[in-house]
Amino acid sequence: DQQVKQNSPSLSVQEGRISILNCDYTNSMFDYFLWYKKYPAEGPTFLISISSIKDKNEDGRFTVFLNKSAKHLSLHIVPSQPGDSAVYFCAARLYSGGGADGLTFGKGTHLIIQP
Amino acid sequence: DAGITQSPRHKVTETGTPVTLRCHQTENHRYMYWYRQDPGHGLRLIHYSYGVKDTDKGEVSDGYSVSRSKTEDFLLTLESATSSQTSVYFCAISESSRGLGETQYFGPGTRLLVL
Repeated sequence: DQQVKQNSPSLSVQEGRISILNCDYTNSMFDYFLWYKKYPAEGPTFLISISSIKDKNEDGRFTVFLNKSAKHLSLHIVPSQPGDSAVYFCAARLYSGGGADGLTFGKGTHLIIQP
Repeated sequence: DAGITQSPRHKVTETGTPVTLRCHQTENHRYMYWYRQDPGHGLRLIHYSYGVKDTDKGEVSDGYSVSRSKTEDFLLTLESATSSQTSVYFCAISESSRGLGETQYFGPGTRLLVL
Protein backbone atom coordinates (compact mmCIF):
# COMPACT_ATOMS: atom_id res chain seq x y z
CA ASP A 1 0.00 0.00 0.00
CA GLN A 2 1.53 3.26 -1.10
CA GLN A 3 1.75 5.70 1.79
CA VAL A 4 2.92 8.69 -0.22
CA LYS A 5 1.13 9.36 -3.48
CA GLN A 6 1.87 11.72 -6.31
CA ASN A 7 -1.08 11.20 -8.58
CA SER A 8 0.15 13.26 -11.51
CA PRO A 9 2.96 11.49 -13.38
CA SER A 10 3.59 14.62 -15.42
CA LEU A 11 2.73 18.31 -15.47
CA SER A 12 3.30 20.86 -18.20
CA VAL A 13 3.47 24.58 -17.30
CA GLN A 14 4.34 27.67 -19.27
CA GLU A 15 7.46 29.57 -18.37
CA GLY A 16 6.71 32.38 -15.95
CA ARG A 17 3.54 30.78 -14.63
CA ILE A 18 3.01 29.00 -11.33
CA SER A 19 3.73 25.27 -11.06
CA ILE A 20 1.78 23.38 -8.41
CA LEU A 21 2.83 19.85 -7.57
CA ASN A 22 0.67 17.80 -5.27
CA CYS A 23 1.29 14.99 -2.83
CA ASP A 24 -1.04 12.99 -0.60
CA TYR A 25 -0.13 10.72 2.27
CA THR A 26 -1.97 8.17 4.34
CA ASN A 27 0.10 7.74 7.49
CA SER A 28 -0.74 10.35 10.11
CA MET A 29 2.50 9.51 11.96
CA PHE A 30 4.66 11.18 9.31
CA ASP A 31 6.22 14.19 10.98
CA TYR A 32 8.47 15.72 8.35
CA PHE A 33 8.01 16.21 4.63
CA LEU A 34 10.52 16.99 1.91
CA TRP A 35 10.59 17.77 -1.77
CA TYR A 36 13.43 16.64 -3.98
CA LYS A 37 14.23 17.55 -7.53
CA LYS A 38 15.92 15.09 -9.83
CA TYR A 39 17.57 15.50 -13.20
CA PRO A 40 18.33 12.44 -15.37
CA ALA A 41 21.50 10.55 -14.39
CA GLU A 42 21.88 12.56 -11.18
CA GLY A 43 20.98 11.99 -7.56
CA PRO A 44 17.93 13.68 -6.02
CA THR A 45 18.62 17.20 -4.83
CA PHE A 46 16.95 18.52 -1.70
CA LEU A 47 14.63 21.42 -2.44
CA ILE A 48 12.53 22.34 0.56
CA SER A 49 11.00 20.73 3.63
CA ILE A 50 8.29 21.30 6.19
CA SER A 51 7.69 20.02 9.67
CA SER A 52 4.26 18.68 10.58
CA ILE A 53 3.86 21.47 13.14
CA LYS A 54 3.84 24.08 10.39
CA ASP A 55 1.51 24.71 7.47
CA LYS A 56 3.79 26.70 5.19
CA ASN A 57 7.45 27.07 4.42
CA GLU A 58 8.91 29.40 1.84
CA ASP A 59 12.33 29.57 0.21
CA GLY A 60 12.71 31.95 -2.68
CA ARG A 61 10.56 30.80 -5.56
CA PHE A 62 9.54 27.62 -3.72
CA THR A 63 6.76 27.32 -1.18
CA VAL A 64 5.48 24.15 0.41
CA PHE A 65 2.03 24.01 1.97
CA LEU A 66 0.90 21.32 4.39
CA ASN A 67 -2.73 20.53 5.15
CA LYS A 68 -2.61 17.93 7.91
CA SER A 69 -6.35 17.40 8.14
CA ALA A 70 -6.44 16.51 4.45
CA LYS A 71 -3.07 14.71 4.58
CA HIS A 72 -2.02 16.77 1.61
CA LEU A 73 0.96 18.85 0.71
CA SER A 74 1.81 20.90 -2.32
CA LEU A 75 4.86 22.55 -3.79
CA HIS A 76 4.43 25.90 -5.52
CA ILE A 77 7.08 27.25 -7.86
CA VAL A 78 6.66 30.89 -8.87
CA PRO A 79 7.66 31.90 -11.45
CA SER A 80 8.48 28.69 -13.27
CA GLN A 81 11.75 28.67 -15.19
CA PRO A 82 13.13 26.31 -17.85
CA GLY A 83 15.68 24.92 -15.39
CA ASP A 84 12.81 23.73 -13.21
CA SER A 85 12.06 20.99 -15.72
CA ALA A 86 12.84 17.81 -13.77
CA VAL A 87 11.20 15.02 -11.81
CA TYR A 88 9.97 16.11 -8.39
CA PHE A 89 9.67 13.64 -5.54
CA CYS A 90 7.63 14.13 -2.42
CA ALA A 91 9.03 12.29 0.61
CA ALA A 92 7.89 11.77 4.18
CA ARG A 93 9.60 10.69 7.37
CA LEU A 94 8.10 8.46 10.01
CA TYR A 95 9.66 9.46 13.29
CA SER A 96 10.65 6.35 15.21
CA GLY A 97 12.83 7.94 17.88
CA GLY A 98 15.75 5.77 16.87
CA GLY A 99 17.65 8.43 15.00
CA ALA A 100 17.90 6.90 11.54
CA ASP A 101 14.58 7.22 9.80
CA GLY A 102 14.35 6.30 6.17
CA LEU A 103 12.17 8.34 3.90
CA THR A 104 9.07 7.13 2.10
CA PHE A 105 8.90 8.52 -1.41
CA GLY A 106 6.15 9.13 -3.88
CA LYS A 107 6.59 7.96 -7.47
CA GLY A 108 7.44 11.42 -8.71
CA THR A 109 5.96 14.04 -11.02
CA HIS A 110 7.75 15.03 -14.20
CA LEU A 111 7.48 18.81 -14.50
CA ILE A 112 7.95 20.24 -17.97
CA ILE A 113 8.34 23.98 -18.34
CA GLN A 114 7.37 25.14 -21.80
CA PRO A 115 8.81 28.34 -23.30
CA ASP B 1 27.60 19.46 -1.84
CA ALA B 2 27.28 16.81 0.87
CA GLY B 3 30.60 15.15 -0.03
CA ILE B 4 29.08 11.82 -1.11
CA THR B 5 30.63 9.64 -3.77
CA GLN B 6 29.45 6.30 -5.07
CA SER B 7 31.45 3.66 -6.88
CA PRO B 8 31.21 2.27 -9.39
CA ARG B 9 28.90 4.65 -11.21
CA HIS B 10 27.93 2.00 -13.74
CA LYS B 11 28.17 -1.78 -13.60
CA VAL B 12 27.04 -4.65 -15.76
CA THR B 13 27.12 -8.09 -14.19
CA GLU B 14 25.70 -11.54 -14.69
CA THR B 15 23.02 -13.31 -12.73
CA GLY B 16 24.43 -15.18 -9.76
CA THR B 17 27.56 -13.11 -9.30
CA PRO B 18 28.24 -11.10 -6.14
CA VAL B 19 28.30 -7.33 -6.43
CA THR B 20 29.40 -4.68 -3.94
CA LEU B 21 28.55 -1.03 -4.23
CA ARG B 22 30.39 1.55 -2.20
CA CYS B 23 29.23 4.80 -0.70
CA HIS B 24 31.85 7.17 0.68
CA GLN B 25 31.25 10.39 2.59
CA THR B 26 33.75 12.99 3.71
CA GLU B 27 31.79 14.85 6.38
CA ASN B 28 31.57 12.34 9.22
CA HIS B 29 27.80 12.01 9.20
CA ARG B 30 26.41 9.34 11.47
CA TYR B 31 23.45 8.19 9.41
CA MET B 32 23.73 6.58 5.99
CA TYR B 33 21.14 4.97 3.74
CA TRP B 34 20.83 2.87 0.61
CA TYR B 35 17.85 3.31 -1.72
CA ARG B 36 16.94 1.88 -5.08
CA GLN B 37 14.98 3.68 -7.76
CA ASP B 38 12.85 1.84 -10.27
CA PRO B 39 10.33 3.09 -12.82
CA GLY B 40 6.92 3.40 -11.24
CA HIS B 41 8.24 3.05 -7.69
CA GLY B 42 10.03 6.21 -6.73
CA LEU B 43 12.88 5.54 -4.28
CA ARG B 44 12.67 2.68 -1.79
CA LEU B 45 14.81 2.15 1.28
CA ILE B 46 16.99 -0.98 1.26
CA HIS B 47 19.12 -0.67 4.41
CA TYR B 48 20.35 2.06 6.68
CA SER B 49 23.06 2.62 9.25
CA TYR B 50 23.06 4.66 12.43
CA GLY B 51 26.73 4.21 13.22
CA VAL B 52 29.75 2.00 12.71
CA LYS B 53 28.62 -1.63 12.74
CA ASP B 54 25.02 -0.51 13.42
CA THR B 55 22.70 -1.29 10.54
CA ASP B 56 19.08 -2.20 10.00
CA LYS B 57 16.72 -3.28 7.26
CA GLY B 58 14.50 -1.09 5.19
CA GLU B 59 11.46 -1.75 3.05
CA VAL B 60 13.13 -3.85 0.32
CA SER B 61 16.09 -5.54 2.04
CA ASP B 62 15.68 -9.11 0.69
CA GLY B 63 18.73 -10.15 -1.33
CA TYR B 64 20.89 -7.35 0.05
CA SER B 65 23.35 -7.03 2.88
CA VAL B 66 25.30 -4.03 4.14
CA SER B 67 28.37 -3.31 6.19
CA ARG B 68 29.80 -0.24 7.84
CA SER B 69 33.24 -0.75 9.35
CA LYS B 70 34.21 2.93 9.11
CA THR B 71 32.13 6.08 9.53
CA GLU B 72 32.88 7.21 6.00
CA ASP B 73 32.04 4.01 4.11
CA PHE B 74 28.74 2.16 3.71
CA LEU B 75 28.83 -0.92 1.49
CA LEU B 76 25.85 -2.57 -0.19
CA THR B 77 26.32 -6.18 -1.28
CA LEU B 78 24.21 -8.28 -3.58
CA GLU B 79 25.33 -11.78 -2.60
CA SER B 80 23.98 -13.36 -5.79
CA ALA B 81 22.67 -10.79 -8.22
CA THR B 82 19.32 -11.35 -9.95
CA SER B 83 17.73 -9.53 -12.87
CA SER B 84 15.16 -8.00 -10.49
CA GLN B 85 18.03 -6.12 -8.86
CA THR B 86 18.69 -4.18 -12.03
CA SER B 87 18.13 -0.66 -10.79
CA VAL B 88 19.70 2.65 -9.94
CA TYR B 89 21.10 2.67 -6.41
CA PHE B 90 21.42 5.83 -4.38
CA CYS B 91 23.27 6.37 -1.16
CA ALA B 92 22.18 9.11 1.21
CA ILE B 93 23.44 10.69 4.38
CA SER B 94 21.80 12.81 7.03
CA GLU B 95 23.26 15.13 9.57
CA SER B 96 24.07 13.82 13.00
CA SER B 97 21.99 16.26 15.03
CA ARG B 98 18.34 15.59 15.49
CA GLY B 99 15.77 18.27 15.68
CA LEU B 100 12.29 18.36 14.39
CA GLY B 101 13.48 17.17 11.05
CA GLU B 102 16.45 15.76 9.29
CA THR B 103 17.25 16.26 5.65
CA GLN B 104 18.83 13.48 3.64
CA TYR B 105 21.35 14.28 0.93
CA PHE B 106 21.93 11.92 -1.93
CA GLY B 107 24.91 10.71 -3.89
CA PRO B 108 25.05 10.61 -7.69
CA GLY B 109 23.84 7.01 -7.98
CA THR B 110 25.10 3.71 -9.35
CA ARG B 111 23.39 2.22 -12.37
CA LEU B 112 23.44 -1.58 -12.13
CA LEU B 113 22.43 -3.93 -14.92
CA VAL B 114 22.14 -7.64 -14.13
CA LEU B 115 22.03 -9.80 -17.25
